[in-house]
Amino acid sequence: AQSVSQHNHHVILSEAASLELGCNYSYGGTVNLFWYVQYPGQHLQLLLKYFSGDPLVKGIKGFEAEFIKSKFSFNLRKPSVQWSDTAEYFCAVNPIANAGGTSYGKLTFGQGTILTVHP
Amino acid sequence: DGGITQSPKYLFRKEGQNVTLSCEQNLNHDAMYWYRQDPGQGLRLIYYSQIVNDFQKGDIAEGYSVSREKKESFPLTVTSAQKNPTAFYLCASSTWQVDEQYFGPGTRLTVT
Repeated sequence: AQSVSQHNHHVILSEAASLELGCNYSYGGTVNLFWYVQYPGQHLQLLLKYFSGDPLVKGIKGFEAEFIKSKFSFNLRKPSVQWSDTAEYFCAVNPIANAGGTSYGKLTFGQGTILTVHP
Repeated sequence: DGGITQSPKYLFRKEGQNVTLSCEQNLNHDAMYWYRQDPGQGLRLIYYSQIVNDFQKGDIAEGYSVSREKKESFPLTVTSAQKNPTAFYLCASSTWQVDEQYFGPGTRLTVT
């Protein structure tokens, strides 16, 4: 079964610091990749996704992620964090069953990384 | 206003009782999912359904049951067989190809 590993459980930064959250997955085939964010008291929502093409994808609120196939990684980055980025971040992987892009129908999530940004 | 609704937001039950959590979506999505969220463990898949009247076990299905009689509804029953039912439960839906999953606000279940 595939698994997703997020390297840090809790990251604490000051405003304007740069952010990189690690995500590695174990699945040898083609995958769709996602980063979700859960702000305090709010729904889980999509930050960005990668299906194919340019391995550097941009999402909402200035976030970006880079897919490195050889490293099975999909790390999330932001050049300068704000207090409002305080949230829990989840990486997720959806394996693709065949060349036509049919998925296996479910996501596997990482353990989550809590980001705390101090003003 | 499209989205996923879960009710209630907070639920309290005594040990030994079954409890059913509601999930409704008006996004016309084929697939629906139930996850359990525990601190430090991320989201773990309980059950999912890709079509009406069909569903599959996820990674932690023991002690849970579901039904999918209507496209828009996917209720989850937490049975007395679930050893550690206190958790935050999230419902989600997606198109059949899992383009992205849309999540509800969650139900926090406390069993004492």
